[in-house]
Amino acid sequence: DSGVTQTPKHLITATGQRVTLRCSPRSGDLSVYWYQQSLDQGLQFLIQYYNGEERAKGNILERFSAQQFPDLHSELNLSSLELGDSALYFCASSVGSGAGGNTGELFFGEGSRLTVL
Amino acid sequence: GQSLEQPSEVTAVEGAIVQINCTYQTSGFYGLSWYQQHDGGAPTFLSYNALDGLEETGRFSSFLSRSDSYGYLLLQELQMKDSASYFCAVRAHASGGSYIPTFGRGTSLIVHP
Repeated sequence: DSGVTQTPKHLITATGQRVTLRCSPRSGDLSVYWYQQSLDQGLQFLIQYYNGEERAKGNILERFSAQQFPDLHSELNLSSLELGDSALYFCASSVGSGAGGNTGELFFGEGSRLTVL
Repeated sequence: GQSLEQPSEVTAVEGAIVQINCTYQTSGFYGLSWYQQHDGGAPTFLSYNALDGLEETGRFSSFLSRSDSYGYLLLQELQMKDSASYFCAVRAHASGGSYIPTFGRGTSLIVHP
C-alpha cells in the first residue's frame, strides 16, 4: 500500500459526459501528479500540483482540468468524453516539487479505470 | 521534447538473468528511474541513478551512462513473480522548478518455469 488513495476504482460512462477523479496523496506529500495510461502505452504525464498550485503541465487536453485543494487532495476533471479517453488514470505523490527528493521516487495510487462507451 | 526507447517484451526462464535496456533523449536530464507494474496495478519504484555507474538493490541492479544517454535494469535469479512490466523514467527539469518523470512505453517481462 503506497498510501495514495484514488477513487473511484472503476468508472463507466458515455461519450460527451463529464467525470471527476479524486486523489488523496500520502500523508505529508505536497506534490500530486496525474498520469494517463492507455492500453499498452506508457504513463503519459498530464499535470503536477505542488501545495495547491499548478507546477508543471504535460500533454493534458483542454477538455481536462485539475486542481489541488487546501487539504492537498486533488481532482482531475474530464469533460466531453470521447472513446479515446478510456484509460487508467494514475495519481502519484511526492514530498517536494522535485519529484521525490534525492531518489526521484513517486508513490502511485491504484488508479481509476475509465471506460467511455 | 523527450523520448525513451525500451524493448516491448523480454522473455526469460526462472533463475536466469535478464537485462532491460533504456535509451533516452532529453534536455535538463537529472536522473533515470525504474518502476515495476503488475497487471495494470500501481507502478512501484525500483531504483534510481543520477550518476554514472551501477546501483544494486538485492536481486535488482540499475546502471546509467549519462554520456551515452543509456541505462539498464538487471534482474538476477528471476522468479515467476518478476513477470511484470518495467518502465524506465527520465527525471528532467521542467518549467516552474519541478523535475517531472517521463516514462517509456514499458517492457513486458515474461518469466517461464
